[in-house]
Amino acid sequence: NAGVMQNPRHLVRRRGQEARLRCSPMKGHSHVYWYRQLPEEGLKFMVYLQKENIIDESGMPKERFSAEFPKEGPSILRIQQVVRGDSAAYFCASSGLAGHEQYFGPGTRLTVT
Amino acid sequence: QQQVKQSPQSLIVQKGGIPIINCAYENTAFDYFPWYQQFPGKGPALLIAIRPDVSEKKEGRFTISFNKSAKQFSLHIMDSQPGDSATYFCAAIEAQGAQKLVFGQGTRLTINP
Repeated sequence: NAGVMQNPRHLVRRRGQEARLRCSPMKGHSHVYWYRQLPEEGLKFMVYLQKENIIDESGMPKERFSAEFPKEGPSILRIQQVVRGDSAAYFCASSGLAGHEQYFGPGTRLTVT
Repeated sequence: QQQVKQSPQSLIVQKGGIPIINCAYENTAFDYFPWYQQFPGKGPALLIAIRPDVSEKKEGRFTISFNKSAKQFSLHIMDSQPGDSATYFCAAIEAQGAQKLVFGQGTRLTINP
């Protein structure tokens, strides 16, 4: 499967716990983007990363959220001390040199109880 | 601030009809306009995209019309089928600048048999 992979597909966390979402980009892609989709809403940009660099994090909440894309391994979106309002679908997209053709993964649906 | 406005919010069309979904934008720096199709529980799939130097682009049954002076673009689906029932998102991006997709609110399309 050469597509964008995300895991887990579903994640349930209690308030105050940490959530870690993983994304493996499409083969040959070095640009990773994270988007959040709240129920019945469109997707909102969170962060754009290249290997070992955060390029644009203008859509990330200032607290509790962080992202990384290490030299080896998947990109990780980390949410500390989750609250009910963090419940959403989190999508990762990747692109090659042409940054505008972004291909999305199946998403991780986070539920905070 | 919503930078891409999409309408209608929902649309019901009979099989064989031509649903039309419209989007408008304000940011003249946008230079790439993709459309995504999303089925329930899945990630958005890139459907078709257009650049502002082209007024129309057709791929299979899907056509984008682009009006640069009006800053509007639309998606037409020819000979629509029940399998086209999904949520459609228009988006825009500054391919040479901040490479983050800005999405419209989405249109839930239903094609009745």
